Amino acid sequence: DTGVSQNPRHKITKRGQNVTFRCDPISEHNRLYWYRQTLGQGPEFLTYFQNEAQLEKSRLLSDRFSAERPKGSFSTLEIQRTEQGDSAMYLCASSQGYLYGYTFGSGTRLTVV
Amino acid sequence: KQEVTQIPAALSVPEGENLVLNCSFTDSAIYNLQWFRQDPGKGLTSLLLIQSSQREQTSGRLNASLDKSSGRSTLYIAASQPGDSATYLCAEETSGSRLTFGEGTQLTVNP
Repeated sequence: DTGVSQNPRHKITKRGQNVTFRCDPISEHNRLYWYRQTLGQGPEFLTYFQNEAQLEKSRLLSDRFSAERPKGSFSTLEIQRTEQGDSAMYLCASSQGYLYGYTFGSGTRLTVV
Repeated sequence: KQEVTQIPAALSVPEGENLVLNCSFTDSAIYNLQWFRQDPGKGLTSLLLIQSSQREQTSGRLNASLDKSSGRSTLYIAASQPGDSATYLCAEETSGSRLTFGEGTQLTVNP
C-alpha cells in the first residue's frame, strides 16, 4: 500500500464549471476525511465518512459541494458551479481511528479562473 | 469553539540550532494531538502523534510533548538542518471525527 492517493494533482477550471476529485485511502482504513486549505492557513474540515456513511459535514460545505464514498472504499468530492473562492488545496486523509492518527494524501490544487 | 494557536508564525534559524515550536489549544477534552510537516504546494506528512494518555513522543531529532492541563504542546527539533525547512502544523482531535489545525509555523533553516 502506497498511502493515500489523490487525483488529479492539479485542476484549473473556468468559473461555473463542475469539478470532481478522487481520493483512494489506505485500504484498511475505514475512516475518510476531506479538508480544504487556503494559502497561509491550516486545513479546515469539510466532511467525514466512516465506511460508506457520511457522518459529519462542516457548514463550510455549501450546497454546491457533495461527497460520496460508495462501497466504503474510494471517495469523490464534487464542486458544482465553481467560484473563484473555491480555489484552494483539497486534502484527503484516512484513519483507522483516533488512536492511530491521520494519513494525508498529496492534495488536489484547484484554481478557478 | 475549538481553537488551536501556533507561535511563532515564522522562524528563521541558522543550521545546527535547537528550536522549539509552540502549539496551544482551548479544548482540554483532547483525544490526541498530531504534528505534521508540509512542504510548499504539497500534502501533510505526519511527524508525531501524542495520545491523550501520553506526555511525549520522540522520533529521531524530533520530540513532542503534551500538557493537557495547560493546553499546550511543543515540538522540539534538535540540531536543525536546511532540509527541515517547511511549515509545521499541529492539530488536535477532540471528537473522534475531525482534526482542528493551527495556522502553522513556517520554519527556515539557513545553511
